[in-house]
Amino acid sequence: EADIYQTPRYLVIGTGKKITLECSQTMGHDKMYWYQQDPGMELHLIHYSYGVNSTEKGDLSSESTVSRIRTEHFPLTLESARPSHTSQYLCASSEPRTGGHEQYFGPGTRLTVT
Amino acid sequence: QKEVEQNSGPLSVPEGAIASLNCTYSDRGSQSFFWYRQYSGKSPELIMFIYSNGDKEDGRFTAQLNKASQYVSLLIRDSQPSDSATYLCAGGTNAGGTSYGKLTFGQGTILTVHP
Repeated sequence: EADIYQTPRYLVIGTGKKITLECSQTMGHDKMYWYQQDPGMELHLIHYSYGVNSTEKGDLSSESTVSRIRTEHFPLTLESARPSHTSQYLCASSEPRTGGHEQYFGPGTRLTVT
Repeated sequence: QKEVEQNSGPLSVPEGAIASLNCTYSDRGSQSFFWYRQYSGKSPELIMFIYSNGDKEDGRFTAQLNKASQYVSLLIRDSQPSDSATYLCAGGTNAGGTSYGKLTFGQGTILTVHP
């Protein structure tokens, strides 16, 4: 069972505001991921991290940034929110096991930018 | 061609029937495969994973992998209305390099189980 938390669960914010979406996991997983998903659409990887001080951009270009100062914490920041950032943001974590990397997802943050 | 492609949906089956969900992948480097269930408005939940050719059973779920045909499937026996959700297939590689630990997701198949 995965213990991965995201806050806030829902956020409505005006254009131009700076926002930080929080993601924490208590499993000591080295690898963490951020996905973006619009309703009824595919998951898109926007950032990932293989450990402390390691961050990489994902397959989908995003104006957001991430940091990984502690193993358990992987926040995502938008410096200036725009309506095009309206989406669901999902955080996940994994650790290597024999055969693969099972990713476990947090509950998500639904962001609406007005 | 998408790297991971799922059979087009939506798929509708009667309660008690077997639901068959299919997935093909193009990257022969993919070695591990995962099935996630996602209810509307919720986050994906891992329900099955398979790394070796053949079948893997867990309760009402059976995952099948055929690496030669680059084909993965999920069978749900005795389907229940609570199984109605979007099912996501994902492939990953265990090799080193930039893809290590990353998953590539399919577009999902919507399953509806009607009473």
